[in-house]
Amino acid sequence: DADVTQTPRNRITKTGKRIMLECSQTKGHDRMYWYRQDPGLGLRLIYYSFDVKDINKGEISDGYSVSRQAQAKFSLSLESAIPNQTALYFCATSGDRKETQYFGPGTRLLVL
Amino acid sequence: GENVEQHPSTLSVQEGDSAVIKCTYSDSASNYFPWYKQELGKGPQLIIDIRSNVGEKKDQRIAVTLNKTAKHFSLHITETQPEDSAVYFCAASTGTSYGKLTFGQGTILTVHP
Repeated sequence: DADVTQTPRNRITKTGKRIMLECSQTKGHDRMYWYRQDPGLGLRLIYYSFDVKDINKGEISDGYSVSRQAQAKFSLSLESAIPNQTALYFCATSGDRKETQYFGPGTRLLVL
Repeated sequence: GENVEQHPSTLSVQEGDSAVIKCTYSDSASNYFPWYKQELGKGPQLIIDIRSNVGEKKDQRIAVTLNKTAKHFSLHITETQPEDSAVYFCAASTGTSYGKLTFGQGTILTVHP
C-alpha cells in the first residue's frame, strides 16, 4: 500500500552493527505495528503502538527497540544485529476499524 | 495466548479449479478472522474478513466460512486464475486484544495456466 512506506527496502549489515528500519504513513492512523516474517512461521508481532505515547512489546521483542517519533512515523532498531535476525520486516497501521491492518512493502534484512 | 494453525503450507491447482485453505484457532474469545494475500515483493493485503456473528461471507470468487464450535475457518477461491498465485495468511483477533492479530503460517498457492 503506497500510503505506508518503509525504508530501506533492502539492507545488508554485519553482526554487531546497529541498524534502524523506518516506517512512515499518510493514512492518519493512530496504531502502528512492526512484524517479522520468516518462511513457514507467518508474521510475528515485534512491537506495536496505539499512539505517540504508547509503546507495547509483541511476542518477539527481544533484541529490538522502537521509537514513535510522531503519529506518522514508527522506527524499529536492532541494537546489535545477529544473523538470526535475517528476515523480512513489515510495518502496518490501523485506524478507526482497528482490526484492519494496512501493510507497507517490507524491508528485506540480511545480517552477515 | 492465541495460536493459529494454517494448512496446507503449499497448494497447487489448475486454472479454473477451486482452492481451499483451512485455519484453526485456539482462543474461543477470538471474534475477528481476516485473510491476507501477499504477492511477490509486496506487503500483505486484506482480501476478506469475517466476524464471529456470521457463518459465511462471499466476495465475488472468494468466500470465507467460520465454524465457531470447531474453532476453524476456511478460505475458498473458485474459478482460480494465475493472478491468484500468492501467499495467503489467515489471522485471528479477540475484542480485547486492541487490534492485535495472530497470523497463521501462510499458504503458497500456485495456479497453473
